[in-house]
Amino acid sequence: GQQLNQSPQSMFIQEGEDVSMNCTSSSIFNTWLWYKQEPGEGPVLLIALYKAGELTSNGRLTAQFGITRKDSFLNISASIPSDVGIYFCAGQPPTDSWGKLQFGAGTQVVVTP
Amino acid sequence: DGGITQSPKYLFRKEGQNVTLSCEQNLNHDAMYWYRQDPGQGLRLIYYSQIVNDFQKGDIAEGYSVSREKKESFPLTVTSAQKNPTAFYLCASSMGGLAFFGQGTRLTVV
Repeated sequence: GQQLNQSPQSMFIQEGEDVSMNCTSSSIFNTWLWYKQEPGEGPVLLIALYKAGELTSNGRLTAQFGITRKDSFLNISASIPSDVGIYFCAGQPPTDSWGKLQFGAGTQVVVTP
Repeated sequence: DGGITQSPKYLFRKEGQNVTLSCEQNLNHDAMYWYRQDPGQGLRLIYYSQIVNDFQKGDIAEGYSVSREKKESFPLTVTSAQKNPTAFYLCASSMGGLAFFGQGTRLTVV
C-alpha cells in the first residue's frame, strides 16, 4: 500500500533549473528506489539506494538515502524538456525482505523552454 | 531481451464482461505484482505473488482475480464485479528489493 509521503505533488520549472523532491516515512526502510514514468508507459527504475547515507548519481540525477532510513531525496540538475514525467519513490520495509514495495504518490515535473 | 511484457497495451471491455490482462517475465523473479493507476494518482496494489501457486490480496483486490501457475506468468482478470475498472494497469516483478515494471495496459469500459 501507499504509505510514503512524497513532495512536492507537482513542479513547473524552466529548462536549465534544478529540481528537488523527497519522500518521507514514519517507519524505516532497507531500500529506496526512484522511478520515472512517462505518459502511457510503465515506471522505469532510475536509482536504487541500499545504505543509510548513500549518495548515488545517474547522469544528472542524484539521490540520497537518508541517515534516519526514513527518507530519501532526488535531485535533477540542469533540467531539459525530456525530464518531463512523474517521478515516484518506493521503499522496501525490513518486514518485506522478499521485495514488496511501498510507493509515494509521485511528483509531476513539467519543464518549459 | 530480458524484461516484463504486458499485453494488450489497450483493452476495451463491455460492461458485465470479464477480461484478462497478460503479464509475462523472463527475469527469473519469484515475486510478481499487479498495480492499478488512476489519472493523477499513484500506484495501488491489487494482488501480489511471492512464489508459484501462491498469491495474496493487496489493498484493492475486490473485483479482481489472479493465478500463478508458472513462475513466468501472472495474469489478472478484471471481473464484472469490479464497478469502476477503467484504469491503467501495471505489472511488476522483483527480486532482492528491486522491482521492474511492464509497459502497462490501459483498460477502458465502453
